[in-house]
Amino acid sequence: AQSVTQLGSHVSVSEGALVLLRCNYSSSVPPYLFWYVQYPNQGLQLLLKYTSAATLVKGINGFEAEFKKSETSFHLTKPSAHMSDAAEYFCAVSGSNNFNKFYFGSGTKLNVKP
Amino acid sequence: DAGVTQSPTHLIKTRGQHVTLRCSPISGHKSVSWYQQVLGQGPQFIFQYYEKEERGRGNFPDRFSARQFPNYSSELNVNALLLGDSALYLCASSLEGQGTYEQYFGPGTRLTVT
Repeated sequence: AQSVTQLGSHVSVSEGALVLLRCNYSSSVPPYLFWYVQYPNQGLQLLLKYTSAATLVKGINGFEAEFKKSETSFHLTKPSAHMSDAAEYFCAVSGSNNFNKFYFGSGTKLNVKP
Repeated sequence: DAGVTQSPTHLIKTRGQHVTLRCSPISGHKSVSWYQQVLGQGPQFIFQYYEKEERGRGNFPDRFSARQFPNYSSELNVNALLLGDSALYLCASSLEGQGTYEQYFGPGTRLTVT
């Protein structure tokens, strides 16, 4: 079975500061991991994905995430926050090649202060 | 290319009624998944269809059903609506059905049950 835990339902940073959003997963099979962003009243947009290639994954808008198997983590980072980064971020895991569903975390709302 | 489209955008129904939500995937995508996102939570998996066959089902009652058509579009049907069915219903498409493939989400249908 797969599941995702996102620590911190709300994170607030100042513009220009480091963004760190935490995601821990559990999976009985090699995981495939994703980060999505959701702006108010919109659907989810893919930021990046990990599918067993490089452990450091670069995504859109300057975001990146590092897969750490020993820590079962896939934290999302961005060196310098921008006001436009304010949104809700979801981590998701899928488990296998055989038509598996995505399990989403409960989300982290990022607030960026001027 | 057009992204995933969903209709209608908003819907208000009364308890006990039936509702049909529609989704058109990205051209060339064969898999469609449906998710329910209750306010303040992450998306919860309802169904996945691939090549017109149900490939996965989440923990939802039999009041929820879906189908996929030859053109890969999909419908989600919910019977005997309950207040708790009020949510944002998201459709996602992917090129294939396996968990390695990222899912692309539509803007969602906001269902309100009164």
